[in-house]
This record gives sequence, C-alpha cells and structure tokens, in this order.
Amino acid sequence: TQLLEQSPQFLSIQEGENLTVYCNSSSVFSSLQWYRQEPGEGPVLLVTVVTGGEVKKLKRLTFQFGDARKDSSLHITAAQPGDTGLYLCAGTYNFNKFYFGSGTKLNVKP
Amino acid sequence: DTGVSQNPRHKITKRGQNVTFRCDPISEHNRLYWYRQTLGQGPEFLTYFQNEAQLEKSRLLSDRFSAERPKGSFSTLEIQRTEQGDSAMYLCASSSGGDQPQHFGDGTRLSIL
Repeated sequence: TQLLEQSPQFLSIQEGENLTVYCNSSSVFSSLQWYRQEPGEGPVLLVTVVTGGEVKKLKRLTFQFGDARKDSSLHITAAQPGDTGLYLCAGTYNFNKFYFGSGTKLNVKP
Repeated sequence: DTGVSQNPRHKITKRGQNVTFRCDPISEHNRLYWYRQTLGQGPEFLTYFQNEAQLEKSRLLSDRFSAERPKGSFSTLEIQRTEQGDSAMYLCASSSGGDQPQHFGDGTRLSIL
C-alpha cells in the first residue's frame, strides 16, 4: 500500500498544453518534495513545501501544498518537450525517512 | 562540483551470487540514504546513515542485505544470495541533514539472471 498516491499515472500531451498532477495521502506530512527523474538517472529535487497552503513557483511550474498538509499538486504551464520525465512526490514526517509516490510519467510531444 | 557517485552503474549476476555496490556521497554531507526502485514505481526507502551510524532500516531490508558506512564517508550495500526479486535500481542519496535537500546518484541497476 502506497502512502502517497499520485495521479494520473501517465500523461501524454502536446507541446504548449497545461497540465496538473496530483499527490494525495491520508497522512499529514511535515514536508513534501517534488522530484523529476529521467530514464537511467536519479531523481532531481524541484521543490520542497513545508507550510499548509503554501504555493511555490519555479518558472512554468507551480507547486501547491494542501492546507491540511496531506496533498500537493504540480501545475505546468505551456509544457515543453524538455518537461518530459517521471514526476515524483515524496513526503516526510521528520526529514529522516522519505516516502515516495509511484510517480506520474509525463510525455510532451513536439 | 562532484555529485553523488555510484558504482557500478550496471551489475548482471546469477541468482545466488553476492553483490556489493558503492556510493560516494557529496563530501560535506553527513546523511546518506539507500533506496530501491523497481520499474514503474517510486524509490522505496531502505536505510539511512548519520555519519557512520545506521539509524533506521526498512523492513524491506531482509537479512540478506547489509549496508555499511565505516568512516562516515562512502557507503556499501551488499546483497547476499541474490534472488530474482532483487532486480531493481539501487539509488543512493546524501544530504546535510535536517530539511536540506537530498542529492541522488544515478543508481546501480541490478539484473539477476
């Protein structure tokens, strides 16, 4: 049983479209992180959110942490082929142990 | 800037053999993590070290698995008597601890024949 559920599992869109991926849990986390992973490589941290209701922006990416600190979303505006990859969320209670979701595999077609 | 380095990148071995992987973290990082990732899944936590002390181990880490970080720098993960189900990507990450970000290596892909 996954502690963090990510949806959708797969997403294939055209360049220029917007998209949102979700990360949901029944647990309250002290912090949640988003990573992007490309084939054959390790995950790369995109953002850490710690405060309920927090919104962080990273160029065309907008991250939101739910008020109750149980869920999060990642919105990409005007997706580009370079955004293709596996997007992972990870939650932690104490920064000692991190629980990862199973990821959303995004494919952006030119 | 040297990131987290893992060796080997790929390991193919027969069932029943022992394998050992090495992780060299970013030099000033005192935390080191091991994860396992299978196809279509996110990384699963295996264990972590604070300096040379192994502070937590997942129940996924059976008796056949052992991890060490003898001098608080590099770490090794050994799997004894490998089984088909051990086939996975083994990822190492390091951090400065606390709320500082984890930096991942590119993993060791293990294939059991």
